[in-house]
Amino acid sequence: SAVISQKPSRDICQRGTSLTIQCQVDSQVTMMFWYRQQPGQSLTLIATANQGSEATYESGFVIDKFPISRPNLTFSTLTVSNMSPEDSSIYLCSGDSGNTIYFGEGSWLTVV
Amino acid sequence: DAKTTQPPSMDCAEGRAANLPCNHSTISGNEYVYWYRQIHSQGPQYIIHGLKNNETNEMASLIITEDRKSSTLILPHATLRDTAVYYCIVRYSRGYQKVTFGTGTKLQVIP
Repeated sequence: SAVISQKPSRDICQRGTSLTIQCQVDSQVTMMFWYRQQPGQSLTLIATANQGSEATYESGFVIDKFPISRPNLTFSTLTVSNMSPEDSSIYLCSGDSGNTIYFGEGSWLTVV
Repeated sequence: DAKTTQPPSMDCAEGRAANLPCNHSTISGNEYVYWYRQIHSQGPQYIIHGLKNNETNEMASLIITEDRKSSTLILPHATLRDTAVYYCIVRYSRGYQKVTFGTGTKLQVIP
């Protein structure tokens, strides 16, 4: 199975600040995705991270709030900008190897 | 929108088989059924997937109906560590497509 590493694993952030989450995948992965999981909820897809170009965002998510980079095949970042308490969630990176999708352990963000 | 529907919760006695149903009535001919589970907000863990034949691995069995409109994940001897939220999704196996998740089934294994 593919290995996906995320950091930070958790953080407590001040309102109004921004935080960048990093995701490293092994070479089996071709597509990368970012999900958000709010407390007690299912996973919601934020965007598809495209290598070397702008991410493809889902309805309700915009680049100004969640800028995403993917400079190479195995690395991506998600920034949560100008955070508010409503952004307190788990943010999950996932990678698609073609045969299946794998997930990182998630980044728990608490905004105070 | 998610293409699957699942019961929100189920209980299962420890040591008994857990049978988790999933409805995917709009599945297309090239889409596979995948199952994941998420234990206490860890990252979702892949369990098993199949197209139309029944599948079994070291974790579970997957039974897909002949018309492919529904499936059942079977955990043959549930343990307390199987308590988790189980998600059923459909996707193309090699289509590199995005995947949306439904609400899943929260399985509680009872001692």
